[in-house]
Amino acid sequence: EAAVTQSPRNKVAVTGGKVTLSCNQTNNHNNMYWYRQDTGHGLRLIHYSYGAGSTEKGDIPDGYKASRPSQENFSLILELATPSQTSVYFCASGAGTGGFTGQLYFGEGSKLTVL
Amino acid sequence: AQSVTQPDARVTVSEGASLQLRCKYSYFGTPYLFWYVQYPRQGLQLLLKYYPGDPVVQGVNGFEAEFSKSNSSFHLRKASVHWSDWAVYFCAVSMDMGYKLTFGTGTSLLVDP
Repeated sequence: EAAVTQSPRNKVAVTGGKVTLSCNQTNNHNNMYWYRQDTGHGLRLIHYSYGAGSTEKGDIPDGYKASRPSQENFSLILELATPSQTSVYFCASGAGTGGFTGQLYFGEGSKLTVL
Repeated sequence: AQSVTQPDARVTVSEGASLQLRCKYSYFGTPYLFWYVQYPRQGLQLLLKYYPGDPVVQGVNGFEAEFSKSNSSFHLRKASVHWSDWAVYFCAVSMDMGYKLTFGTGTSLLVDP
């Protein structure tokens, strides 16, 4: 069974603070993704990665950084958190070159509240 | 740019009734289309996927979807809805089987007992 785990599951941060959301996958997938989910917007892609050491900007990267230190781990970093970044964040993994099927495996989400 | 539109934010059906959730895509090329489902307090799960070929694709739990190039649509259907189908459904598109999925805004399905 494909497994993607996120931490923390819930986080309350203050405006201007630094927040790191972590994601670990045991699927041995090359690709990993960070999405945010907001009412009326669905899921929007923030950053993604093709493999260890690579990060790419998605559709809404402003205010976010990403880090992929290994095949298994992909972090989303908010250096200076703002209330507009209050959202639910989802990490996902998917197979890479020659194996991409469109099937992403999602974590259970991290709810971030920025006060 | 690729995009999908789900025009219905919320749909309510009675248990046992048939269901159609609408999805329109916008892409000049060969679209690869997907339906994902999100149950309460969970991440998204793949329901079914369309690769160019047979326009009607079968998914899990009795769901199916039909691709129409002339209508730029990929509607999701189910003949008889069960209360356990209460969830949010997302349509998604991938450009030429690239590595990114673009999701629609989702349709919340409510099931009347």
